[in-house]
Amino acid sequence: RKEVEQDPGPFNVPEGATVAFNCTYSNSASQSFFWYRQDCRKEPKLLMSVYSSGNEDGRFTAQLNRASQYISLLIRDSKLSDSATYLCVVSDTGRRALTFGSGTRLQVQP
Amino acid sequence: GAVVSQHPSRVICKSGTSVKIECRSLDFQATTMFWYRQFPKQSLMLMATSNEGSKATYEQGVEKDKFLINHASLTLSTLTVTSAHPEDSSFYICSARLGLAGNTIYFGEGSWLTVV
Repeated sequence: RKEVEQDPGPFNVPEGATVAFNCTYSNSASQSFFWYRQDCRKEPKLLMSVYSSGNEDGRFTAQLNRASQYISLLIRDSKLSDSATYLCVVSDTGRRALTFGSGTRLQVQP
Repeated sequence: GAVVSQHPSRVICKSGTSVKIECRSLDFQATTMFWYRQFPKQSLMLMATSNEGSKATYEQGVEKDKFLINHASLTLSTLTVTSAHPEDSSFYICSARLGLAGNTIYFGEGSWLTVV
């Protein structure tokens, strides 16, 4: 079983749509959670951290359910520029490295 | 601007040769850097953790004699792919944690290696 599992997609949505990505992780010792965005053939870039209470950054909302070991990302009012691969990432305190999901590809269409 | 610089961004080498990739932290000291590899349409996989002044810690299945990591200073870690093989062709990317206990991780721009 992969440590971090994501639906690979692709999710093809029209501009303005709302889209949600889910992610599950297997390591109950995971302490930090993130969503990264990766454009084709580029390095990943931090989109947002994910907190237990849930957090929002503009059109992006992240949720964490520690009991279910589940993380979500909601994107509202999708833009063409949101087209990318979204990586669910976790980290445990001891290891200090990041463990990446394989990513969910989003394609926003005009 | 970039806080972690990686070089070269693209390299093509012949089978059997060695290739060195450099990862530099700019404006901060990184006692620990991480090296990842990403094959097409796959996740970033941690290869090793590079510790300044000591030996790197390799993940299971990563050959330490093939992927040589040197972290001789607080701002530079290098990954050398020795006796490169076409199967080593991949996207290699480094990252550094800002601060000893901080959660901010910065990535280098990545290096595309093609072995022919």
